[in-house]
Amino acid sequence: SAVISQKPSRDICQRGTSLTIQCQVDSQVTMMFWYRQQPGQSLTLIATANQGSEATYESGFVIDKFPISRPNLTFSTLTVSNMSPEDSSIYLCSVGAGLTGGEQYFGPGTRLTVT
Amino acid sequence: AQKITQTQPGMFVQEKEAVTLDCTYDTSDPSYGLFWYKQPSSGEMIFLIYQGSYDQQNATEGRYSLNFQKARKSANLVISASQLGDSAMYFCAMREGFGAGNMLTFGGGTRLMVKP
Repeated sequence: SAVISQKPSRDICQRGTSLTIQCQVDSQVTMMFWYRQQPGQSLTLIATANQGSEATYESGFVIDKFPISRPNLTFSTLTVSNMSPEDSSIYLCSVGAGLTGGEQYFGPGTRLTVT
Repeated sequence: AQKITQTQPGMFVQEKEAVTLDCTYDTSDPSYGLFWYKQPSSGEMIFLIYQGSYDQQNATEGRYSLNFQKARKSANLVISASQLGDSAMYFCAMREGFGAGNMLTFGGGTRLMVKP
C-alpha cells in the first residue's frame, strides 16, 4: 500500500493569486497523478507526473495554469496559477501500486476556495 | 475512448438492507481494471474493491462485492447489510491496461443515503 499526504488540506485564496499544493508519498513511485474535483462533480485528471520529465497534461489543462514539479520519486507539487472562482475544487494526488495494477491510492485532498 | 457510466445519481437504502450501485464501462482494451471508491463528505477517496478483466471470480471485500458481467460490460457494486456510515458518494473507475502508471477514468458517481 501507499500512504499519501497533502498540504495544505484546505485554503481560501483571492482571485489572481497562486497556490502550490504538495504531495508526499511514503514509498517511491514512478507515476503520480493529479486530479481535480469541482463541486458536485466527478474526478478529472489534470496531469501525470513522471520523475525526471515534464508532466503530461490532459485536454483542457495547460502547464502555464497548472505547473507541476516532480523532483524525486516520493514528492510532487501542483500549482494553481492566477486563480479564479472556477478553480474552486478539491485537488487530489494519486499513485498506483502493486504489480498487477490493482491498487490506486489517493491523498486526502486539498479543498481550495477562490474568492 | 474509454467511458464509465453510473446511471443512478442518488439512491436511498434502508439500514441493514443490501444495495446495488450500477456501473457500466466501455473499452476496446482486453486488459483493464475496475475500481470502486467511497467518498464521504470529508472528500477523501477510500478504495473499496478491484476487479481485473481476466479475473474469473467476482471480487469481494468484507461487505462489498463486485458483480462483474464482462459480456455486458458492467461492474456493479453490492453493499450488504447497509450501515449509516455507508452514506457517501460512490465512484466507479476504470484503468486500461494493468500498469500502475496508467490513469483512472471515473464515472459521475452515485450518492448513497442510508435511512435508519
